[in-house]
Amino acid sequence: NAGVTQTPKFRVLKTGQSMTLLCAQDMNHEYMYWYRQDPGMGLRLIHYSVGEGTTAKGEVPDGYNVSRLKKQNFLLGLESAAPSQTSVYFCASTPGDFGPGTEAFFGQGTRLTVV
Amino acid sequence: AQKITQTQPGMFVQEKEAVTLDCTYDTSDPSYGLFWYKQPSSGEMIFLIYQGSYDQQNATEGRYSLNFQKARKSANLVISASQLGDSAMYFCAMSPYSSASKIIFGSGTRLSIRP
Repeated sequence: NAGVTQTPKFRVLKTGQSMTLLCAQDMNHEYMYWYRQDPGMGLRLIHYSVGEGTTAKGEVPDGYNVSRLKKQNFLLGLESAAPSQTSVYFCASTPGDFGPGTEAFFGQGTRLTVV
Repeated sequence: AQKITQTQPGMFVQEKEAVTLDCTYDTSDPSYGLFWYKQPSSGEMIFLIYQGSYDQQNATEGRYSLNFQKARKSANLVISASQLGDSAMYFCAMSPYSSASKIIFGSGTRLSIRP
């Protein structure tokens, strides 16, 4: 089972360039998330989606945009990359219910470096 | 506002000893779920254990148990008989029932097992 797949796995961008990270899940999950992981700060929520066509801001949304045109895909866009966006990005999904068995499933992460 | 606090940035433990990783949380929501994840050096996020706020018993999964003290708002992870393969980053996470779409994480604890 593929679970949650992120592409690309690595990327180097120049300041000011744009890019899109793709997250795809094959578990029919309702909720999808984008986090960034920085040393000593754990995972911080950038944006999330509670269903197809819906998105919402998380803790650190500035400089990012997202779209969820299809239930299985959640895209994270950087319009004008900055060195402060150098990080490891994780996508995750959950069924949308509450209780046991609703843990988040994570992609393998994308290591992004902005120079 | 919800918050997860992990006060131990790093820990060293002798192989085969038990280890407790601390996690405290803050939420005004009466119902919530608590999770622990393991992140080995390879980077993937591995779900370990779940505890519901109304569960009467502490959760256990093999060598992992969650010491849940609701009044103190703590959800410590206990690993019995530690193994070299337990060396990793460990994250505590919470999902309040009222906003099950949001899963927030602590800053993590890096556990190193000494042979």
